[in-house]
Amino acid sequence: DVKVTQSSRYLVKRTGEKVFLECVQDMDHENMFWYRQDPGLGLRLIYFSYDVKMKEKGDIPEGYSVSREKKERFSLILESASTNQTSMYLCASRPRASGQPQHFGDGTRLSIL
Amino acid sequence: GQNIDQPTEMTATEGAIVQINCTYQTSGFNGLFWYQQHAGEAPTFLSYNVLDGLEEKGRFSSFLSRSKGYSYLLLKELQMKDSASYLCAPRRGSTLGRLYFGRGTQLTVWP
Repeated sequence: DVKVTQSSRYLVKRTGEKVFLECVQDMDHENMFWYRQDPGLGLRLIYFSYDVKMKEKGDIPEGYSVSREKKERFSLILESASTNQTSMYLCASRPRASGQPQHFGDGTRLSIL
Repeated sequence: GQNIDQPTEMTATEGAIVQINCTYQTSGFNGLFWYQQHAGEAPTFLSYNVLDGLEEKGRFSSFLSRSKGYSYLLLKELQMKDSASYLCAPRRGSTLGRLYFGRGTQLTVWP
């Protein structure tokens, strides 16, 4: 079974802090994704990566950056956390082959105070 | 952006059949995924359609019409545990595997 592990289930940080969310997958998947999910807005793509050191902006990249130094790990960085970044953050991975589904981690519920 | 439309909420009773519709306008369309998401949990993959027609997988079936930009998820013999949000996610062929998620249909199954 595919395992996508997010480092924290719950996280509380303060406004202005630099926040790191980590995601690790164990299936040698090329593609990895970061989403946030908010009530009424659904899943929105922040950034994704299709290879080591490669990244693409999703629909809402502002205020975020990412890092993919190793194939199995994809990090989401909130450069200076703000209260409107309080959300559920979900990481996903998939192999490059066409038609393969994304597999999601359990999510990190992040609160910015 | 991509226009993805699915009902916000649906209700049904145990043992019934429910059909969740999804319409989309996705340029370069190349397949559509359905995911199930229970409250407080991650989405889990249910089905994938790339060709027109019906794909059956146990109690769940998914249908696609590419020419109409339309898909549905059919759930038979509903159980209480099927209460969840169902997400429609079309895919574009040229976008490195990214999906475009609808806002989800919250299904409540009553006893």
